[in-house]
Amino acid sequence: DVKVTQSSRYLVKRTGEKVFLECVQDMDHENMFWYRQDPGLGLRLIYFSYDVKMKEKGDIPEGYSVSREKKERFSLILESASTNQTSMYLCASIRDGLDGEQYFGPGTRLTVT
Amino acid sequence: DAKTTQPTSMDCAEGRAANLPCNHSTISGNEYVYWYRQIHSQGPQYIIHGLKNNETNEMASLIITEDRKSSTLILPHATLRDTAVYYCIVRVLGGGFYGGSQGNLIFGKGTKLSVKP
Repeated sequence: DVKVTQSSRYLVKRTGEKVFLECVQDMDHENMFWYRQDPGLGLRLIYFSYDVKMKEKGDIPEGYSVSREKKERFSLILESASTNQTSMYLCASIRDGLDGEQYFGPGTRLTVT
Repeated sequence: DAKTTQPTSMDCAEGRAANLPCNHSTISGNEYVYWYRQIHSQGPQYIIHGLKNNETNEMASLIITEDRKSSTLILPHATLRDTAVYYCIVRVLGGGFYGGSQGNLIFGKGTKLSVKP
């Protein structure tokens, strides 16, 4: 059974803290994504990665960075958390070259106070 | 990616078929129609996708019109656990990248399906 897991379901952090969100997939997928989901705005792409150590900015990369040291793991980093980064964060992966499905993790609901 | 339009909400009686429409009048020839759903507080879940032929799997059927400008997702026997927001998305073939985030899925607002006992 395919699986994308995220390190936390719920997280509360203070303004200015450095936050790490981890995502692991066990499907040997090349491509991984980080989205945030906010009411009325749908899913917005923050960053994606198509290979180890490769990353590309999505639509809203400001205030975020990512790391992909291993194929199965894609980390999202909030360098200095702010209250406007309170959101649901979703990780996803897809195999390269196929027209198939994108697999999502369960999401991390981050609250920055 | 082409834009899609869906009704904001729909109700369905438990055990009946749920038919969820989607309009994608500007779809390109190389764009697939995908359906995902999201149950409250969970990540989106893939349901089905197709290009121009009707498709069926263990979860649902997808009917795409001949001109490909609209489609319908059919849940043949809706259950209470099918209550979710359903998203219709069109995207180009392939999950790889060709100078851009073509693997990105652009989710609209979807249809909130409520299955009632």
